[in-house]
Formats: sequence, structure tokens, C-alpha cells
Amino acid sequence: AQSVSQHNHHVILSEAASLELGCNYSYGGTVNLFWYVQYPGQHLQLLLKYFSGDPLVKGIKGFEAEFIKSKFSFNLRKPSVQWSDTAEYFCAVNEENYGQNFVFGPGTRLSVLP
Amino acid sequence: GAVVSQHPSWVICKSGTSVKIECRSLDFQATTMFWYRQFPKQSLMLMATSNEGSKATYEQGVEKDKFLINHASLTLSTLTVTSAHPEDSSFYICSVTRGENEQYFGPGTRLTVT
Repeated sequence: AQSVSQHNHHVILSEAASLELGCNYSYGGTVNLFWYVQYPGQHLQLLLKYFSGDPLVKGIKGFEAEFIKSKFSFNLRKPSVQWSDTAEYFCAVNEENYGQNFVFGPGTRLSVLP
Repeated sequence: GAVVSQHPSWVICKSGTSVKIECRSLDFQATTMFWYRQFPKQSLMLMATSNEGSKATYEQGVEKDKFLINHASLTLSTLTVTSAHPEDSSFYICSVTRGENEQYFGPGTRLTVT
């Protein structure tokens, strides 16, 4: 079965630090990849997605992610975080044939210190 | 083990019939549950926020009379798709919130309307 792992449970950074959150998935076929953010008390919001094409994907709020097929990875990056980026971040994978579950990673909590 | 369950995982129904999807919080009482929908090749879209003991809050463009949400207890929310049509075929996911920072997703329900 498909699984998604995220490397860190909780990341603490100071403002202006660079961010990289790891995401790995297990399925070997064609996948669609997503990063979502959830601010405290709010619902999920899409940060960025990858379906095909350029493996370097740019999303909202200065986030980007790189799909490395050989490593089954889709890491999220931001060069300089802000206090307002404090949130929970979820990586998710959906198999191309849409016949399987939409699988989420366990989430990484990001705390940015002012 | 699973924290959130959904039932059924996959349902096929005829056009014009109604389908009920259950979302259960297994380990804790959830005051807030979110319902999302995903169409093929798209990201999750928030449909509604379900609050125990009060009416659900629907997102713009989501018909509340068509997608009936009942959060009858702190461990159960149901989504009923009334008079389903083929365009309602989608993947429906619920999530439950514990506190402000803990979010758990159900495994999803795939609805196919013929």
C-alpha cells in the first residue's frame, strides 16, 4: 500500500532561516504530489502541486518543492521563513490512475520564532 | 492505529439516489471536522466545516441542501449527498481536529455515480 513519510515531526526555526521539509512516498508508479498547509484552527490550504513537467514547482507564499523521482521525494523549501509560516505542513500523494486512496503524510509542525 | 475512519471506502450508486458517508473520530472527541472533495487531477477542496451541535459552515459554491452534513456527536459526522448525479463522483475526505494543532485525516471515500 502507498505510504507517505515526513522526516520531521516538529521543526523550530528563527525568522529568516531557510526551510526544507522532507517528504518521501512509497509507490513506484506515476503519482500526483501535493503540499498543504494548515494554520492553527483552520482548514487545509494548498501550497503547491506537481502533476507532470518541470520537477521544480513553485507555490504560494514563496514556497517551492522539487520532485526527485529516483528518490521518491518531494521536499518543500522556502529560503526565508516568517513568523506567519508557523503552521502544520502535510505532504500528500495521489496515484495517477485515481483508483487508490489519497494518502497524507503525518504532518510536520513548523514553529517560527520571531 | 487509525485515528479517523470513514465508511464506506468506496460506493457506487445510481443517479438520483442519496448516499451517506460517515466520518468517525476513534480516539478522541472532535469538536470540529472538515469535509473535503477531490476531483481527478485536482487538489483537495474544502466543502464545509462541521461543528458539533451546530450547523455546518459551507464554502462558497457548495450547495448545503445537496451536501447535508450532520455532526451529531463528538465522534461522528456524516455527509449525505442527496440526489446524486454523475458530476458528484469524486473522492471525499474528512479530517478531525484535536486542539489547534493536531489534525487527522480519514482514508477517504470514493463515490461513483452511474
